[in-house]
Amino acid sequence: RKEVEQDPGPFNVPEGATVAFNCTYSNSASQSFFWYRQDCRKEPKLLMSVYSSGNEDGRFTAQLNRASQYISLLIRDSKLSDSATYLCVVNPPNTDKLIFGTGTRLQVFP
Amino acid sequence: DAEITQSPRHKITETGRQVTLACHQTWNHNNMFWYRQDLGHGLRLIHYSYGVQDTNKGEVSDGYSVSRSNTEDLPLTLESAASSQTSVYFCASSGRERGTDTQYFGPGTRLTVL
Repeated sequence: RKEVEQDPGPFNVPEGATVAFNCTYSNSASQSFFWYRQDCRKEPKLLMSVYSSGNEDGRFTAQLNRASQYISLLIRDSKLSDSATYLCVVNPPNTDKLIFGTGTRLQVFP
Repeated sequence: DAEITQSPRHKITETGRQVTLACHQTWNHNNMFWYRQDLGHGLRLIHYSYGVQDTNKGEVSDGYSVSRSNTEDLPLTLESAASSQTSVYFCASSGRERGTDTQYFGPGTRLTVL
């Protein structure tokens, strides 16, 4: 089983739509969780951290379910500029390393 | 502003040659990482360092080496380049900011081994 698993997509959605991505992780003792965004041929950039209580940043909402070991990202009112690959990232215990999922590709069309 | 840079941005080399990719950060971060990214595999950790003179192997370290002589730099060396090492290479650094291990990435180096 992969340490971090994501549906690769692509998710093709119209502008204004709401889209959700899920991600599962295997190590129940993992401490920190993140969503990164990666544009084509660019470096990954931190989108948001994921807290146990859930957190929201504008149109983006991240949720963590420790019992089921999954993380979600909800994007409301999708924009063309949201088209990218979204990477689910987990920090296992006792290390500063991060484990990256293979990413979920989102394509927003007009 | 603090940043992380990589050079060269693109490199074409031949099988068997030694290649060194540079990574330089001005965040003053202790932690530095090298990844490769290939279709279907996502980001895979090659080597990492938690400070000067510290280096550790990641999951795909065979054929690669690193050295950390100062805080700012972590060069990645391919001892004898192979076609299987054609990839996009990303360097990243992190520090304990707000209790999380946010990693900041360089722009990447696209390496082709012929």
